[in-house]
Amino acid sequence: GENVEQHPSTLSVQEGDSAVIKCTYSDSASNYFPWYKQELGKRPQLIIDIRSNVGEKKDQRIAVTLNKTAKHFSLHITETQPEDSAVYFCAASNTGTASKLTFGTGTRLQVTL
Amino acid sequence: GAGVSQSPSNKVTEKGKDVELRCDPISGHTALYWYRQSLGQGLEFLIYFQGNSAPDKSGLPSDRFSAERTGGSVSTLTIQRTQQEDSAVYLCASSLVARGDYGYTFGSGTRLTVV
Repeated sequence: GENVEQHPSTLSVQEGDSAVIKCTYSDSASNYFPWYKQELGKRPQLIIDIRSNVGEKKDQRIAVTLNKTAKHFSLHITETQPEDSAVYFCAASNTGTASKLTFGTGTRLQVTL
Repeated sequence: GAGVSQSPSNKVTEKGKDVELRCDPISGHTALYWYRQSLGQGLEFLIYFQGNSAPDKSGLPSDRFSAERTGGSVSTLTIQRTQQEDSAVYLCASSLVARGDYGYTFGSGTRLTVV
């Protein structure tokens, strides 16, 4: 089955700096890669996703890049703000066979003033 | 409904008792998923329902765990003879799947504490 690894497990940045979280996946057939943000005590929420036919996608201060050859994808957050502090999870699935997501282990992002 | 509803939000039970957790997905979503999240940990897959297909039960940790989805809508996760290691937040999610919409919408979870 699919295996998703995520790094780093914790990340501390100063407000205004950029943050990058990286994930690798094992199944070359995976074609859907979402990112979820989970604030303390809250449910995970989808913030951005990318499909395998696209190399990069942006939405305001967040962007995701995908390298299918290397089987890795990354989340980039620019101009970080305190409200970006949360746990971020990457995930992967092969939508051709099942919509079930395999999640990474999470990155705790702390944005300091 | 507007979102995924889970009940109860909190459940404290004695070791050895059975518990039932309920999930009401977004209307029209064909796929429903159960995950477990222990304190400060990641999302552990338990079981997945897609339309009328047989459920994917590959993540259930033991035969004490079972789930059903009635009428393609509401799902119930049952844990029999609960153990302390079952303590966690149980998250349900649903997705549309049709028209390439695979994003999950999560419920707010059921926090299970086994004492």
